[in-house]
Amino acid sequence: EAGVTQSPTHLIKTRGQQATLRCSPISGHTSVYWYQQALGLGLQFLLWYDEGEERNRGNFPPRFSGRQFPNYSSELNVNALELEDSALYLCASSNSLTSRWEQYFGPGTRLTVT
Amino acid sequence: EDQVTQSPEALRLQEGESSSLNCSYTVSGLRGLFWYRQDPGKGPEFLFTLYSAGEEKEKERLKATLTKKESFLHITAPKPEDSATYLCAVQATVSGNTGKLIFGQGTTLQVKP
Repeated sequence: EAGVTQSPTHLIKTRGQQATLRCSPISGHTSVYWYQQALGLGLQFLLWYDEGEERNRGNFPPRFSGRQFPNYSSELNVNALELEDSALYLCASSNSLTSRWEQYFGPGTRLTVT
Repeated sequence: EDQVTQSPEALRLQEGESSSLNCSYTVSGLRGLFWYRQDPGKGPEFLFTLYSAGEEKEKERLKATLTKKESFLHITAPKPEDSATYLCAVQATVSGNTGKLIFGQGTTLQVKP
């Protein structure tokens, strides 16, 4: 069974630009989650999408946004990039139809803002 | 406020030297407690889910246990390949906190041959 995939692996942007990160969940999973892992800060919850709807949002500014497509893949957009947005962005998926709630993570996208 | 605290921050063991990692949590209604392993530069790898106090799960040299306030990850006779950062996370049942995992800072384990 294929795991969660993310693209690109690395992304280098300059301050003020926009970044788009993509995620494909495990087949059969309908929920997608986004997390930010900045150096020294641990994993912080960004967004949760299920069945195409945003279900929950972490304490991040509105320039962090995303969407989920009909095939359950997801996109994270970060506008007006700031230096502190440099981090590993992790996508996870889960099967919301079960009661097990485990989230399975992808390899991440390393975003560097210069 | 829901939070997770892991200790120690770092742990060095000799191969074969058993030990335990601690995860203390406060949460307004526990849906589940999760353990992950993360290697440098990679995404976290799912290990265990624990749902209620008294529950235990085992996988190879790892055993996870849960009480009402903390969880332990016991590592028996570790090998160098067990070296990684171990992350603990909780998910709450309270509306507004559902879905998201609240992570601790992790314990970085180094096992020397």
